[in-house]
Amino acid sequence: AQSVTQPDIHITVSEGASLELRCNYSYGATPYLFWYVQSPGQGLQLLLKYFSGDTLVQGIKGFEAEFKRSQSSFNLRKPSVHWSDAAEYFCAVVPPRGSGAGSYQLTFGKGTKLSVIP
Amino acid sequence: GAVVSQHPSRVICKSGTSVKIECRSLDFQATTMFWYRQFPKQSLMLMATSNEGSKATYEQGVEKDKFLINHASLTLSTLTVTSAHPEDSSFYICSASPRQGTNYGYTFGSGTRLTVV
Repeated sequence: AQSVTQPDIHITVSEGASLELRCNYSYGATPYLFWYVQSPGQGLQLLLKYFSGDTLVQGIKGFEAEFKRSQSSFNLRKPSVHWSDAAEYFCAVVPPRGSGAGSYQLTFGKGTKLSVIP
Repeated sequence: GAVVSQHPSRVICKSGTSVKIECRSLDFQATTMFWYRQFPKQSLMLMATSNEGSKATYEQGVEKDKFLINHASLTLSTLTVTSAHPEDSSFYICSASPRQGTNYGYTFGSGTRLTVV
């Protein structure tokens, strides 16, 4: 099935450590790719997005993501995590045109909860 | 940047009553709005897509008579949960886009926690 997968349900890192959250998609062509962050009881904030071009994308709050076509991945990274980064992170895609999925509709992964140890 | 206001943030209602949730785009005209439902510790599930001035398109399994969506203007969409039951308790989130197409991005509201007692 065409989908987006976040393999890690929960990740715990120490403050100051580096972070990588994984995201894989399964579509024949490259979808539009997004990373969102959600604090408890809140809506979603866009961290970054990839449509085309440079495969390393810079986002807000010091986050970046790298698109790797060969691995169908769009992993989110941060060199040094802060306690305030503790939240739920969602990878999302808009399927490519002609894939049969609804156009312009975001499909979300199941999310990765990030806990930060002070 | 684009801002979407969602109201109320929390609501508790009695079983059998109806609840209306509003989603407003504050500084842009939202051609398309999306309504999502999120169960605890789970991802967002798209319920429906609404385009201004036309009927909403519901995802499979979503009861359109129970979840009424109105998108009468370019800045306001409403979701009404009719005859609510405890199983409707959930976190509802809207998002809005200036026009149909991803290049303009999606902005999310802050969500509404609905509790049906």
